[in-house]
Amino acid sequence: AQTVTQSQPEMSVQEAETVTLSCTYDTSESDYYLFWYKQPPSRQMILVIRQEAYKQQNATENRFSVNFQKAAKSFSLKISDSQLGDAAMYFCAWKEYGNKLVFGAGTILRVKS
Amino acid sequence: SQTIHQWPATLVQPVGSPLSLECTVEGTSNPNLYWYRQAAGRGLQLLFYSVGIGQISSEVPQNLSASRPQDRQFILSSKKLLLSDSGFYLCAWTPLGYVAEAFFGQGTRLTVV
Repeated sequence: AQTVTQSQPEMSVQEAETVTLSCTYDTSESDYYLFWYKQPPSRQMILVIRQEAYKQQNATENRFSVNFQKAAKSFSLKISDSQLGDAAMYFCAWKEYGNKLVFGAGTILRVKS
Repeated sequence: SQTIHQWPATLVQPVGSPLSLECTVEGTSNPNLYWYRQAAGRGLQLLFYSVGIGQISSEVPQNLSASRPQDRQFILSSKKLLLSDSGFYLCAWTPLGYVAEAFFGQGTRLTVV
């Protein structure tokens, strides 16, 4: 069965600094997608970034970037120049074509001013 | 454009009472539909997902059931609520035919008393 593991229940970062959130997954498939979602206190789920497994280049969206290591089944999220608005719970998720969307347990990110 | 509606936003129900949460998607056809539950400060637990009318996959044995009476309608039900059914319920959809990110409803906060 496919699983997604986020080993960091909570992380803290100083405003303007960089933080990395970890995610590992387990699948026997070769073609799939990975996502990072943000859930602020409003609890609305917001897509942060997505990565196609067949692409070697790491995805980047402004201050957010990923380090995708397919062989290691690792998919970490790096947030640069952290802002107070980045404080939220972050979820890593995995999806294969036609298959269900599986989430990790989440990491609470706190941003200190 | 596609939109997803989930209601009600908040619900307080006594133990033993029935439950019906509804989710509808507009602007697309044949979506994959999902129900997730999130306990306070915890991750997203996949409860049910559906790839078509009448096709429901259950992920966790529990007191809940799901139905998909129409292509873009997904209903979460219970005949008799338990205290442990309290939580935040999220409906989501993904497009059929290719892999893409999920789009989420606003969520329902259910408190069983």
